[in-house]
Amino acid sequence: GAVVSQHPSRVICKSGTSVKIECRSLDFQATTMFWYRQFPKQSLMLMATSNEGSKATYEQGVEKDKFLINHASLTLSTLTVTSAHPEDSSFYICSAVGMGETQYFGPGTRLLVL
Amino acid sequence: AQSVTQPDIHITVSEGASLELRCNYSYGATPYLFWYVQSPGQGLQLLLKYFSGDTLVQGIKGFEAEFKRSQSSFNLRKPSVHWSDAAEYFCAVGESTGFQKLVFGTGTRLLVSP
Repeated sequence: GAVVSQHPSRVICKSGTSVKIECRSLDFQATTMFWYRQFPKQSLMLMATSNEGSKATYEQGVEKDKFLINHASLTLSTLTVTSAHPEDSSFYICSAVGMGETQYFGPGTRLLVL
Repeated sequence: AQSVTQPDIHITVSEGASLELRCNYSYGATPYLFWYVQSPGQGLQLLLKYFSGDTLVQGIKGFEAEFKRSQSSFNLRKPSVHWSDAAEYFCAVGESTGFQKLVFGTGTRLLVSP
């Protein structure tokens, strides 16, 4: 149980385009999901907290207009990287809060912006 | 603000040998501590967590960790390492057992030699 999926697992896009990443809790409902970013050989940095039915809460320094988060249902949150640039290339990981208030992590999405 | 330090970037252990990964935290109140493991290109899997009570916590895959308040440490141990344990290990601290934000350490990469 407590499986979180992400789609796509990897994506390559051109600079200036937008990319949507989906995070789904497959066998549980999650009112709260988190989005993290991980640079190579570095730790996870929290980007935002996604709450079902309300606006996301962004961490300091994260551009909310660039990283659009939508948590439309109890099992799905999406992160859209708008007008992506090469510096947005990274590994994006989501997590969903499940039983015991534990965060369960998705497998991550590797984004490469050319 | 909370912070987590994992002083060892890489550790190499022979298969069958014991393992200890160090984690030190900085937090004003009682911390909620976690160890996660990340295999290459994968998300994070929870190994164990400490919220309160017994300071020696047992986790999955034969791992354990000991919370030592006097040393602000939460070191991860395993008595006998298997080749499949090779991965990146992250220590994290959270503010509460609620929908907490996690602050991650920079990770320790474990290499297992034959």
